Amino acid sequence: NAGVTQTPKFRVLKTGQSMTLLCAQDMNHEYMYWYRQDPGMGLRLIHYSVGEGTTAKGEVPDGYNVSRLKKQNFLLGLESAAPSQTSVYFCASSYLAGGPTGELFFGEGSRLTVL
Amino acid sequence: GDSVTQMEGPVTLSEEAFLTINCTYTATGYPSLFWYVQYPGEGLQLLLKATKADDKGSNKGFEATYRKETTSFHLEKGSVQVSDSAVYFCALKGRNYGGSQGNLIFGKGTKLSVKP
Repeated sequence: NAGVTQTPKFRVLKTGQSMTLLCAQDMNHEYMYWYRQDPGMGLRLIHYSVGEGTTAKGEVPDGYNVSRLKKQNFLLGLESAAPSQTSVYFCASSYLAGGPTGELFFGEGSRLTVL
Repeated sequence: GDSVTQMEGPVTLSEEAFLTINCTYTATGYPSLFWYVQYPGEGLQLLLKATKADDKGSNKGFEATYRKETTSFHLEKGSVQVSDSAVYFCALKGRNYGGSQGNLIFGKGTKLSVKP
């Protein structure tokens, strides 16, 4: 049972470099999310998608771009990495958002360090 | 806007001790409330949830009751184990479906360490 898979799991970048984090889910979920987790800050939503071909900004979208070309994949891009983007990134997906429940399923995280 | 406040950690307990992690929320209407748990090196996973006032969520010996009058959803366990060592996140999901559909609002997390 793969669930939500993130690649890569670890990456070290130099300031100004670019990279893409890939999130893949095999549960046929409509909704997908990218969060970042920083010490003492909890999880903060970067971008999300409510379906194939759609994306929307979350709480902290600056410096990131996303794409959802296929329903099962949600890509998070950093065009010019900055040390402030050093964090652990989590992808999540959910089946429904239009009701009171709607459990999120998380990947294992991607640890990014920007030097 | 909606928000979640949970007690700051870290919390260190001995095995078999009683656990309470406080969580209060601010939201319009009647949100759904959740506790997620993050074990070391893993992503978050749902521990329990409650969707309306006075509901009690329970799982793996953990319980939390949705208290509308005190806007709280405190997590409790009667006897913790070393394997419960993790970070616990309280979260809410509002009933406003415009613009931020499905988005959970998380507390900052409380790290629990249980010693043998």
